[in-house]
Amino acid sequence: DTQMTQSPSSLSASVGDRVTITCRASQIVVSYLNWYQQRPGTAPKLLIYGATSLQSGVPPRFSGTGSGTDFTLTISSLQPEDSATYYCQQSYNTPYTFGQGTKLEIK
Amino acid sequence: QVELVQSGSELKKPGASVKVSCKASGYSFTRYGMHWVRQAPGQGLEWLGWINTHTGNPEYAQDFTGRFVFSLDTSVRTAYLQISSLKTEDTAVYYCARNIAAAGAMGPGWLDSWGQGTLVTVSS
Repeated sequence: DTQMTQSPSSLSASVGDRVTITCRASQIVVSYLNWYQQRPGTAPKLLIYGATSLQSGVPPRFSGTGSGTDFTLTISSLQPEDSATYYCQQSYNTPYTFGQGTKLEIK
Repeated sequence: QVELVQSGSELKKPGASVKVSCKASGYSFTRYGMHWVRQAPGQGLEWLGWINTHTGNPEYAQDFTGRFVFSLDTSVRTAYLQISSLKTEDTAVYYCARNIAAAGAMGPGWLDSWGQGTLVTVSS
C-alpha cells in the first residue's frame, strides 16, 4: 500500500497568512493526488484534484503543486472559514490512501 | 445537481449486522464508481473500497474483506454497504462518495461528491 504522510499535523495561523501543507507518498503516484477539506461534523469536500486542478466552486486562494511523491497545498490568504482539517489522498492505485490529516486553526 | 443521500444513524449490538444505503441523484448512476470511506470518532479517513456501478464488481481494501459487502440496486440508483458480525471498533461515520475518473469510465480519479455520512454505533 502507498503510505501518505502529511506535515504538519496541526498548525495555527492568522487571517491573511499564507499557509502551506505538505504531503509525501511512499511511492510514485504521478499526479493522482487530491486534497480535501473537512469541517467538524461535515463530510469531506474536494478542493484540488490531479495535484493541481482547482475543483469548481473552490476559492482561488487554494492551490496545489507537485508530482511524483511530493505535493503541497497552499492557501494564499487565510480566511476564518478555512478553519478545518485537510487531507491528501492518492488515487494512483488501490487501496486509495489518505494522509493522517492536518488540523488548521485560525488564531 | 449531484446529490448522495445516506440512510440514518444506526445503533447496533456486537455481532449484529447493519446495511447503510446511499441514494444518488442528479447524474447517470452507472457511469461513475461509488467509493466507501469511514471515519472513526476523532480519527482520520479510511478507504474501505469501491464498487463498479456498471458491472457491479466490488473491490475491497485488505482490512475490509469478509465482513464488508458492497452492493447496488441500479433501478433505484442506490448503493449499499452491509457490515456483518459488527465489532465495537466498527463504530464510525461511513461515507459514500462518487468517483470521477481521470481517464476512462471507471478508472482512478477523485471523489467529487460525498454523502452526508451515516453514524454506525456498535455498543452492548
